[in-house]
Amino acid sequence: ETGVTQTPRHLVMGMTNKKSLKCEQHLGHNAMYWYKQSAKKPLELMFVYSLEERVENNSVPSRFSPECPNSSHLFLHLHTLQPEDSALYLCASSQEQTGGGGGELFFGEGSRLTVL
Amino acid sequence: RKEVEQDPGPFNVPEGATVAFNCTYSNSASQSFFWYRQDCRKEPKLLMSVYSSGNEDGRFTAQLNRASQYISLLIRDSKLSDSATYLCVVDSNYQLIWGAGTKLIIKP
Repeated sequence: ETGVTQTPRHLVMGMTNKKSLKCEQHLGHNAMYWYKQSAKKPLELMFVYSLEERVENNSVPSRFSPECPNSSHLFLHLHTLQPEDSALYLCASSQEQTGGGGGELFFGEGSRLTVL
Repeated sequence: RKEVEQDPGPFNVPEGATVAFNCTYSNSASQSFFWYRQDCRKEPKLLMSVYSSGNEDGRFTAQLNRASQYISLLIRDSKLSDSATYLCVVDSNYQLIWGAGTKLIIKP
């Protein structure tokens, strides 16, 4: 049983749609992350929030918009996506922001997105 | 050169055999190293951290070779349940850099 839950698990959307992915962590962690995982490629870090403040944005297109209303919740708002954005989007949390020997990442099961 | 490189596999291994994977990294200043495991259609989960002196957890042994800039994972007496993708992760310049993973299939 995971301490990080993501909804929806599957999402199909057209290029003109607007949708949101939701992530909730029940672990009392201070940092939350969005990752993109495409087939046979390494995980790509998209956004990092530490204590609800965005600390990193790895040059992600503006059609992806994150929101972190509190330390337990993270959203990824999607609009005018492209077919190449189809992937598994993974949310993760950690006690402190990773890096410098930071701790273990705990992942949700992911939201599999298909853009038609 | 990729920052973290892994042989994608798949490695097809009979049950009970010993299997080893390597992972090379490009940044010699990297400080921390990890192996994560990802089952099919599941999320990655931490398998073990890799310490400078090497470390063992049951059938799993992780080693770090700083001179040659690689880490390794050895699995002894492999089980069917070890079938998964093994992801190498390197903490480099305060960022986690992920390999694309090595797929392992254990056959009965």
